[in-house]
Amino acid sequence: QITLKESGPTLVKPTQTLTLTCTFSGFSLSTSGVGVGWIRQPPGKALEWLALIYWNDDKRYSPSLKSRLTITKDTSKNQVVLTMTNMDPMDTATYYCAHKEMTFFDYWGQGTLVTVSS
Amino acid sequence: QSALTQPASVSGSPGQSITISCTGTSSDVGSYNLVSWYQQHPGKAPKLMIYEATKRPSGVSNRFSGSKSGNTASLTISGLQAEDEADYYCCSYAGTSTYVFGTGTKVTV
Repeated sequence: QITLKESGPTLVKPTQTLTLTCTFSGFSLSTSGVGVGWIRQPPGKALEWLALIYWNDDKRYSPSLKSRLTITKDTSKNQVVLTMTNMDPMDTATYYCAHKEMTFFDYWGQGTLVTVSS
Repeated sequence: QSALTQPASVSGSPGQSITISCTGTSSDVGSYNLVSWYQQHPGKAPKLMIYEATKRPSGVSNRFSGSKSGNTASLTISGLQAEDEADYYCCSYAGTSTYVFGTGTKVTV
């Protein structure tokens, strides 16, 4: 079955760079049509789509955060990495990674809470 | 790319039907039948309930249905049950392989 799990720091300081890793199993990111996305959710607030990477290394970013985000994949390790620069307290959120094979996110990780504070 | 607009809250009694709207623009909801809906219980990851505006994944109760007209998509929950109490989010394809989520709706039973 498909599973995904996010990992990374729980606390980062303002202006630092956040690096999150999504480790998955049950599918291959070298299979045509498959993608992995990142979505975040500030405490008590709505979901926000951040980035997507596809099997062919096509990368897409939220227009409002594009300048701060980088998404990469390591197919051999079944991992996708998201980096976000210049972290701010407003970036405090639970960060989710999710599997996408068609036009929707069908499998989600459990999420990881990242707090931005000095 | 602005968040899709959903009502903040919707409530209903057990057995009733409720409908949650999701309003976007001609650049997202209005241009594609690629709206999905997610249910999220407190402290849990979102769960896919509807995809491509009207389709239901296997395992999702047929009490959940979706529709779309113009720039607005809707999720209807019929025969409301206590377990349906959760937050619901719509999500639309917005072109060039980008996506946008809705503002979220809290359903109270």
